[in-house]
Amino acid sequence: DQQVKQNSPSLSVQEGRISILNCDYTNSMFDYFLWYKKYPAEGPTFLISISSIKDKNEDGRFTVFLNKSAKHLSLHIVPSQPGDSAVYFCAASDGVGAQKLVFGQGTRLTINP
Amino acid sequence: AAGVIQSPRHLIKEKRETATLKCYPIPRHDTVYWYQQGPGQDPQFLISFYEKMQSDKGSIPDRFSAQQFSDYHSELNMSSLELGDSALYFCASSPGTSTRYEQYFGPGTRLTVT
Repeated sequence: DQQVKQNSPSLSVQEGRISILNCDYTNSMFDYFLWYKKYPAEGPTFLISISSIKDKNEDGRFTVFLNKSAKHLSLHIVPSQPGDSAVYFCAASDGVGAQKLVFGQGTRLTINP
Repeated sequence: AAGVIQSPRHLIKEKRETATLKCYPIPRHDTVYWYQQGPGQDPQFLISFYEKMQSDKGSIPDRFSAQQFSDYHSELNMSSLELGDSALYFCASSPGTSTRYEQYFGPGTRLTVT
C-alpha cells in the first residue's frame, strides 16, 4: 500500500525552464511533507518542507505547494540548472511516534542544456 | 558542517552470516532513524531511537536488531542474512522527535549478500 505516490518515474526539462515534480498521498493523518534530492551513491539531501497548516513554502529557487483537499503537493524549481539533475523523493510524516518518514518512489529529473 | 557518518560504506556478506552497520549522527542530534532502500525502491523505515530508547519500529525483520549508545551513535545488527537483505541502508539523524525537525541522511551502507 503506497501511501505516498510519485507517478512520474522521470522528467526531462530544459535548462532555465521550470521543473514541476508532483506527489500525491492517501493518508489524511500526514501533517508534514518534505522533499529530498538524491545523487547516486549518496544519501538523500533535504531540500524543503511544508507543514499542513500552510499551502506554500519558498526557499530560493525551490517552492513547495500543498493542496490538502486534493492530497497533492508539488515542488517547483525555477530556473532549472544542470546540477538539479537527480532523483527527487517526496516524503511525509504523520506526527505520531518518532515521526518516521514515508517516501514516494522518486522521480528522476534530468536537466538538458 | 558535520554530517551523518555511516560505516562501512560497502559490505559483502554470504547468506546466513551476520553484519553490523554503524551510524554516527550529527553532533547534538539525539534521534537516529534507520531506513532500507532496495533496488529501484523507495527508502523504507526500519527503526528509530530517541535518547537511547527505541521510539518507533517499522518493517524490520526479527533477524535485525539495533540500539543507540550513550554517545548517540547507533548500530544495526543483522543476522542470518538472506539474499533479499541486499540493499542500501541509510541512517538519518535529527535534533529531536518533533515533526518540525528535518531528518539528515548519511551516505548509506551498501550491503550485498551473496
